[in-house]
Amino acid sequence: EAQVTQNPRYLITVTGKKLTVTCSQNMNHEYMSWYRQDPGLGLRQIYYSMNVEVTDKGDVPEGYKVSRKEKRNFPLILESPSPNQTSLYFCATAGTSGYNEQFFGPGTRLTVL
Amino acid sequence: QKEVEQNSGPLSVPEGAIASLNCTYSDRGSQSFFWYRQYSGKSPELIMSIYSNGDKEDGRFTAQLNKASQYVSLLIRDSQPSDSATYLCAGPAISGGGADGLTFGKGTHLIIQP
Repeated sequence: EAQVTQNPRYLITVTGKKLTVTCSQNMNHEYMSWYRQDPGLGLRQIYYSMNVEVTDKGDVPEGYKVSRKEKRNFPLILESPSPNQTSLYFCATAGTSGYNEQFFGPGTRLTVL
Repeated sequence: QKEVEQNSGPLSVPEGAIASLNCTYSDRGSQSFFWYRQYSGKSPELIMSIYSNGDKEDGRFTAQLNKASQYVSLLIRDSQPSDSATYLCAGPAISGGGADGLTFGKGTHLIIQP
């Protein structure tokens, strides 16, 4: 079954404690992206990757890091989380271009105290 | 930054009626648009994509693209309570240095009244 998985699905943490949210896909897609979704602000792109070892900033990259060492994985790293990073996070993938249909993972609800 | 605008609603429609959702976009050069459905707390699910001017039908859903007027719409026929959700319109985004994928509207909350 073609799918995008994220872990963890729910996370409560404290300010400053480094965390990683994993994203994995089995669709052999080249494009992967991270979004955060906040009430009233909609979906906003954090980082995206066109292919292995190629990443770039989206609209709201501050406070986040990513890496793309393998095609199937695109982890999101918060080196020093702050309360304003409390949000619902989605990983998404697309075939060869982000302009094509994107498929979303189930989401990770993060709370930073 | 290219923008996609939607009325946030809520849009309330009686069961069995046609729900009409609209979206406008800022860039005349945009070629492709997508409609996603999102239930509360869940991930967006792609329901329609449209790449050319005119209508595209898939079951109870019809997407319409009007490039001259720069709007995209989604019609849901025979609306069911299970159609109650937030509908996101998305179009291509280019923020300067290169392609970055899709930009999303903030969504329209649709309520189907039994």
